[in-house]
Amino acid sequence: DAGITQSPRYKITETGRQVTLMCHQTWSHSYMFWYRQDLGHGLRLIYYSAAADITDKGEVPDGYVVSRSKTENFPLTLESATRSQTSVYFCASSVPSKHFSYEQYFGPGTRLTVT
Amino acid sequence: RKEVEQDPGPFNVPEGATVAFNCTYSNSASQSFFWYRQDCRKEPKLLMSVYSSGNEDGRFTAQLNRASQYISLLIRDSKLSDSATYLCVVNPTDKLIFGTGTRLQVFP
Repeated sequence: DAGITQSPRYKITETGRQVTLMCHQTWSHSYMFWYRQDLGHGLRLIYYSAAADITDKGEVPDGYVVSRSKTENFPLTLESATRSQTSVYFCASSVPSKHFSYEQYFGPGTRLTVT
Repeated sequence: RKEVEQDPGPFNVPEGATVAFNCTYSNSASQSFFWYRQDCRKEPKLLMSVYSSGNEDGRFTAQLNRASQYISLLIRDSKLSDSATYLCVVNPTDKLIFGTGTRLQVFP
């Protein structure tokens, strides 16, 4: 039972490069989320998705793009990475109904460094 | 003012001690409340939901005070394995707001 996985776990990239972080879940949860976690801030929501082909902005969406062609995958793309996007990125999923009132299950995170 | 505020700690306590964390939130319309636990360099995991009437799960007790807009977590008989960061999480409308966390270090 793999649950929710993220890849890569660690990534170093240069300013201006495009990078895609992958997220895959095996539970068929309809809701999926992307957060970033930085010192001094709590987890901040970047984007979320209620179902395949449905996505919505969170608190800090600028500089990021998401897609969700399949229920189990929710990739996050940094179109032109900046140093301020150096962070730990967590993907999460939750049960279909009342998505923000129920437990969210987090992936192990991707540590991204932009040089 | 942050939407969810926590004392960052660290709280350094000996094994067997009782420790309490508080968290305040600013949006009175918040409906759901949680405590998540996050180990160093790991993902957050749900510790417990917080109900209006208060709830207990083994050594952990969560309380909600809507009038004062704060949530508390009490840990009794602390274990070394309780060392982690505890995140207060609030659901004001259509999103979860995470506090920055309170770090707990339990020493022998």
